[in-house]
Amino acid sequence: EDQVTQSPEALRLQEGESSSLNCSYTVSGLRGLFWYRQDPGKGPEFLFTLYSAGEEKEKERLKATLTKKESFLHITAPKPEDSATYLCAVRTQGGSEKLVFGKGTKLTVNP
Amino acid sequence: DAGITQSPRHKVTETGTPVTLRCHQTENHRYMYWYRQDPGHGLRLIHYSYGVKDTDKGEVSDGYSVSRSKTEDFLLTLESATSSQTSVYFCAISGGAGSYNSPLHFGNGTRLTVT
Repeated sequence: EDQVTQSPEALRLQEGESSSLNCSYTVSGLRGLFWYRQDPGKGPEFLFTLYSAGEEKEKERLKATLTKKESFLHITAPKPEDSATYLCAVRTQGGSEKLVFGKGTKLTVNP
Repeated sequence: DAGITQSPRHKVTETGTPVTLRCHQTENHRYMYWYRQDPGHGLRLIHYSYGVKDTDKGEVSDGYSVSRSKTEDFLLTLESATSSQTSVYFCAISGGAGSYNSPLHFGNGTRLTVT
């Protein structure tokens, strides 16, 4: 069974304090790993897709990396507006386009 | 926004009544999905569609049915609502023209309370 595990469940940072969120996965074959941001009362918002080990993507203060077993979302010098829940999801081999999601990491950045 | 409208945004209903949630897209994407989100469980797939009249079950499909008679509309029906179906329901789309292995784009959800 495909599994996605995110850690930590919650993370509190001070503004400017860099850190990383982890997404580990156990799948039969990875077609893509996706990162999303979700604000309260909203749907998830797409951030990045990573397709193969060694790949990296960046957007403003966020950088996502991928290995054969896990992905990291690095947050550099975060600001309060980066506070959100970050979700990781995988698409696996087998022909279906559906995504399997982790439970998310709730990030709070204090000013 | 990805051109996805969910309706209603909020609904309160009684146990045993049927409920239909609607998802409408203006992007002409091939794939449409219904997920539910609950504390401690994250997003779980209920049903998805890979074309008009083509649907398949997800991991939590019991008690739910779907229909897709047009590319732009995907309906989720709770045949006889139960309190365990109190949740936030998200519609998502993917697969624009010529795309493959593309991300899902989500609507803003429907909050359903079954009393």
